[in-house]
Amino acid sequence: QKEVEQDPGPLSVPEGAIVSLNCTYSNSAFQYFMWYRQYSRKGPELLMYTYSSGNKEDGRFTAQVDKSSKYISLFIRDSQPSDSATYLCAMSALQYGNKLVFGAGTILRVKS
Amino acid sequence: EAGVAQSPRYKIIEKRQSVAFWCNPISGHATLYWYQQILGQGPKLLIQFQNNGVVDDSQLPKDRFSAERLKGVDSTLKIQPAKLEDSAVYLCASSRGQDTDTQYFGPGTRLTVL
Repeated sequence: QKEVEQDPGPLSVPEGAIVSLNCTYSNSAFQYFMWYRQYSRKGPELLMYTYSSGNKEDGRFTAQVDKSSKYISLFIRDSQPSDSATYLCAMSALQYGNKLVFGAGTILRVKS
Repeated sequence: EAGVAQSPRYKIIEKRQSVAFWCNPISGHATLYWYQQILGQGPKLLIQFQNNGVVDDSQLPKDRFSAERLKGVDSTLKIQPAKLEDSAVYLCASSRGQDTDTQYFGPGTRLTVL
């Protein structure tokens, strides 16, 4: 079993739709949770950063962490074609030197 | 602020050959990371430097991979000899410190081993 599980997709939605991306994890020590966006042939860029459980909102993006279920989500409202990319969840823990452990990434395609 | 620079962007070699990748982190960033991203997978940390010292190289295949960060700035990652399974994108990232600072990624070097 992988430490971090993420459905690879692809997920195809029409423009304007609400997108839900999810990851599950097995290590309860993880404290910091991140979502990265990776465009084709580019490096990942940080979208959202959350510590422990709860919600965080930034514009059209909302990140949720449920540590009791070991489940994290990223919601994208009013999705745009420019949101088409691979979304990677990542997590870390102080006891592991904050080494990032990534999910495999979900490919998102937003159709205009 | 200039981002993380990497070169070359693409490299094709035959198995058993050697190859080297170069990374220039964001100015002032003390921590530098090398990741391997195989197609369809998330990045996997190979090695982490704090200034010019190694913090974590537990997932670096040391029989064929080596990395150095002389003078605590630029870094090179070398593979010798390369295997088919080394085909991947090699990403370099940097951050200001070590703990919870954001990691900024470069565009990566896409390596194909034939």
